[in-house]
Amino acid sequence: EVQLQQSGPEVGRPGSSVKISCKASGYTFTDYVMNWVKQSPGQGLEWIGWIDPEYGSTDYAEKFKKKATLTADTSSSTAYIQLSSLTSEDTATYFCARSVGYTLYYFDYWGQGVMVTVSS
Amino acid sequence: DIVMTQGALPNPVPSGESASITCQSSKSLLYSDGKTYLNWYLQRPGQSPQLLIYWMSTRASGVSDRFSGSGSGTDFTLKISRVEAEDVGVYYCQQFLEFPNTFGAGTKLELK
Repeated sequence: EVQLQQSGPEVGRPGSSVKISCKASGYTFTDYVMNWVKQSPGQGLEWIGWIDPEYGSTDYAEKFKKKATLTADTSSSTAYIQLSSLTSEDTATYFCARSVGYTLYYFDYWGQGVMVTVSS
Repeated sequence: DIVMTQGALPNPVPSGESASITCQSSKSLLYSDGKTYLNWYLQRPGQSPQLLIYWMSTRASGVSDRFSGSGSGTDFTLKISRVEAEDVGVYYCQQFLEFPNTFGAGTKLELK
C-alpha cells in the first residue's frame, strides 16, 4: 500500500526556518517525482515545486524559488521541504504528493499534510 | 501561467440528485498525443485531497462510477450522480499540461 507519511505540526518564529518531511512507502521512491503543495487557511491549493529523487533535480513555482528548498534522501525514502525566512504568509498546511512525472500526469497519492504556524 | 476558473454550485444539493461542477482553462489543455491534461480532486473536510479523475475523463482507481469527467480543450465538467454524504467537500480542477501546474480555486459541495 502506497503511503506518504508526513512529520508533525511545526511552529516557527518570524525570520526562522522549518523543515518538514514526507516518508514514502509501498513503492520504489526513485520511480516517482515528489511534489509539494501549499494550502493557506481556508484557501485553495498552490503548487510549490517538485523533486526527482533519483537525480536530485528540482523545479519551483516562481513565487517559491526563494522560499522553499526541496531535498530527498533515497536511503530512507524521505522527501523534505525547508521553508526559510518565515513570515505570517507562510502559515499554512503543506502537502507532499507524488506523480509519475513533472508534467502530463497527476498527483495520485497525497500525504496527510503538515500545519506550519508562524508566530512570535 | 494557465488560469483555471471554477464555477459555483447551487448549494445545498439534495441527496440523491446530480451535481455538475464546471472548470475553464485560459488555454487549451489538449496535447498533441490526443490527451487532455485536466485532473479533478476532492478534498473532504479535514482531509488531504484525493484524485478523482485524470486526463479529463479517466476515473482514478477505486473511485465510484457516480463520478464522470467530460469537456473540450478549455471547458470541463465533473458530474456527480446521486450525490451522497461522502461527496461533501471542495472539488478542485488542475491543469498538468504546462509548467507550472495550476489549480482552480475550488468548488464547495454541501448536502441538503
